[in-house]
Amino acid sequence: DAKTTQPPSMDCAEGRAANLPCNHSTISGNEYVYWYRQIHSQGPQYIIHGLKNNETNEMASLIITEDRKSSTLILPHATLRDTAVYYCIVRPLRAGNMLTFGGGTRLMVKP
Amino acid sequence: DAEITQSPRHKITETGRQVTLACHQTWNHNNMFWYRQDLGHGLRLIHYSYGVQDTNKGEVSDGYSVSRSNTEDLPLTLESAASSQTSVYFCASSDRIGEAFFGQGTRLTVV
Repeated sequence: DAKTTQPPSMDCAEGRAANLPCNHSTISGNEYVYWYRQIHSQGPQYIIHGLKNNETNEMASLIITEDRKSSTLILPHATLRDTAVYYCIVRPLRAGNMLTFGGGTRLMVKP
Repeated sequence: DAEITQSPRHKITETGRQVTLACHQTWNHNNMFWYRQDLGHGLRLIHYSYGVQDTNKGEVSDGYSVSRSNTEDLPLTLESAASSQTSVYFCASSDRIGEAFFGQGTRLTVV
């Protein structure tokens, strides 16, 4: 599986957009980019995933570069409840493949 | 609504005792996973299953076992609990390529 690199921590002002980067320079053509987050003491929560096109849902937007070597998760209007650890995971498109978690980015949303 | 539940939420046990943590999902997912998370660390995979009667070892499987007798349940057994197994345990289930759903975790303390 491709390795991902994320900054260990970031701050964001409440109401502003939070842009969380992820590098995955060894990604393969059949690997998806997944984003999860873990709010303190809770189980991880799925946010969004994509292959090569940009994706948007009610929680966030995912921007994947054309060469697919990096991506950015965008929380358009961060709230205090978005304070969490965000994990970028690259996962092959194979049945049942497990998620391998790295260190993630600890996002602190400040008033 | 479909869900994934873990029980108990908190457990204190003595060194050397056998402990079983329950995980039950109503998503009808074939894929189920057990992770552990230690303070300040990411999630590490213990065991996983791709279907009934299928079980596989993850990166930290020593001292743990699982069995899959039906689609809904993947109990995790600590054969002889050790203090090093004090941790928070998360169960997850997923479909073939979609998002994974995590339980709320079981906090296990081995004294």
